[in-house]
Order: sequence, then structure tokens, then C-alpha cells
Amino acid sequence: DAKTTQPPSMDCAEGRAANLPCNHSTISGNEYVYWYRQIHSQGPQYIIHGLKNNETNEMASLIITEDRKSSTLILPHATLRDTAVYYCIVRVVSYNTDKLIFGTGTRLQVFP
Amino acid sequence: EAQVTQNPRYLITVTGKKLTVTCSQNMNHEYMSWYRQDPGLGLRQIYYSMNVEVTDKGDVPEGYKVSRKEKRNFPLILESPSPNQTSLYFCASSLTPSGVETQYFGPGTRLLVL
Repeated sequence: DAKTTQPPSMDCAEGRAANLPCNHSTISGNEYVYWYRQIHSQGPQYIIHGLKNNETNEMASLIITEDRKSSTLILPHATLRDTAVYYCIVRVVSYNTDKLIFGTGTRLQVFP
Repeated sequence: EAQVTQNPRYLITVTGKKLTVTCSQNMNHEYMSWYRQDPGLGLRQIYYSMNVEVTDKGDVPEGYKVSRKEKRNFPLILESPSPNQTSLYFCASSLTPSGVETQYFGPGTRLLVL
């Protein structure tokens, strides 16, 4: 199964863009990249996902490299409430399975 | 409100005493799954269900059972809990098992086995 590698922690000033990198060099062609975040020990919260193209929604943007071996989650204007652990995840789906493969995540600290 | 609910949220038990953690979703989702979260190991899938009466093992199924008798419910059963099952458990669901369908997570159940 494909796995992801993320830096264990990052800091970001409030109001600035937070750029969270992720490596997934063994990802297969039909496997999606998902991002979730977890605040304290709450249930993981969906942020965004993509396959090949860059994606944007009201929360964030996802930039996927052309070779799909890495991606970057961008929070354009970080707030204190964005402090959380961010997980870059490969989603493996087939006719008989649907699995999110979590890494250990990046702990993002947004400071005033 | 669309949601995944779990009960209980917190549970302390003793080794060998059977317990069940319930999971319910009100979104008519076909796919449901259980994960456990441990420090340094992230979230790992225990069991999943593609639809009613269809279940299969995830990465760490030992010591757990599940059932899917109806679409909305997917209980996690620990027949004889042991201390190494002390963990934070999450249930998740999605409309179908598809890369484009978001998986929604419940609030979590924190279990301590003495």
C-alpha cells in the first residue's frame, strides 16, 4: 500500500499562508490524495482531495505535482483555529475495499 | 443534521469483559469502517463494510468483531478485551466506496482496558 511522509511539525503566523508538504512517492495511478485534520482528539475532519489536478475549495487548495509523487496543502490565511494535526492520506479503493492509509501527520501551530 | 454517532464516548473496562461500541450514521451510506488511533501509529483500519451483510478485515482486525445487519449501524465488538486494545476508536462512513466520496468520521470512543 502507498504511504505518505510529512514533516512532524510546522509553525505559521496568523494571517499568513500555511503550506504543508507531503510525499507519496509510491502512490498508484488510481489512488486519491486526501487531506484531513484533527483538532485535539476529535474525529478527523475532511479538508480536500484530488487525483491529478490541483483543487481548491472554501477551506484550502491542493497542489499535486505532475508525477503525483508529492503534494502541498495550502491554507491561504491561517487562523488560530487552524491549529491541528494535518494528515496527508492515500485512499485505496477497489471493487471490494475502501481504505484510508494515514501517516503520522504534521502538527501545525498557528501563532498570533 | 448529517452525522456519524458513536456510543459510548468514554469507556473503562476490565480484561475479558465483553463490550460493544455502537456506530450509527443517518446519511444512508453504504460504506462504513472502524479505525483505531494510537500514539505514533496514526489511524489504522480495523474492519470495514461495503454494504449490509458484507464485512471484511482491515489492517488490525485481531481481537475485534463487527456486524452489519442494517445499513445505518456498524457495531464494534470486543469479545474479550485486553490492555493492548486501549485506544481511541473512530467509526467512519461514506456514500459508496469511491475515491470521490468523502469519508465522514464520528467523534471517537476512548477505551481504557485495565
